[in-house]
Amino acid sequence: SQKIEQNSEALNIQEGKTATLTCNYTNYSPAYLQWYRQDPGRGPVFLLLIRENEKEKRKERLKVTFDTTLKQSLFHITASQPADSATYLCALDPLSEKLTFGTGTRLTIIP
Amino acid sequence: ETGVTQSPTHLIKTRGQQVTLRCSSQSGHNTVSWYQQALGQGPQFIFQYYREEENGRGNFPPRFSGLQFPNYSSELNVNALELDDSALYLCASSSGQVNEKLFFGSGTQLSVL
Repeated sequence: SQKIEQNSEALNIQEGKTATLTCNYTNYSPAYLQWYRQDPGRGPVFLLLIRENEKEKRKERLKVTFDTTLKQSLFHITASQPADSATYLCALDPLSEKLTFGTGTRLTIIP
Repeated sequence: ETGVTQSPTHLIKTRGQQVTLRCSSQSGHNTVSWYQQALGQGPQFIFQYYREEENGRGNFPPRFSGLQFPNYSSELNVNALELDDSALYLCASSSGQVNEKLFFGSGTQLSVL
């Protein structure tokens, strides 16, 4: 069956360090992958999109990689800040289906 | 803010009742997608509407139905509510292009007692 897994439900990182979140998928062949941020009681907010033919994408302190061989995306936040604390969701477009989300990783940046 | 508004923000219903949730899409967007998000889970795709027609449906029973209006706003209707329908219901709008990001509203928190 198709599955999207994000590493650990919760991740605690010291302020100033790099936070790395993992998204693994099975039985999908996505054309692209997106990352969203969700704060409690709010809808997800789009952060980055990476296409299957791109290895890496950057936006300010954010970096996303996409390895279609490993079926994995890594999401990095460098110089992390307490304001980065939120749940981060990866989402795939499996071509014939609509955008499909992982379960999310709750990230806490500790001052 | 995304420009996508949902109403109501919170709702309490009892099992067996019916509910209608509403969504106004962002200006210029003709596509609305609805997602259900249970506590601690990722959003699950319910269905999508493109120019007033259903354009894809997830693994949800027929008691979940929807509408899209000429102004591209949308409704989600759920009949015969069950306890497991308690969740955050999210509406997302887009312009219907491939490989496109979604703009989400803040959701409607539905509690079924």
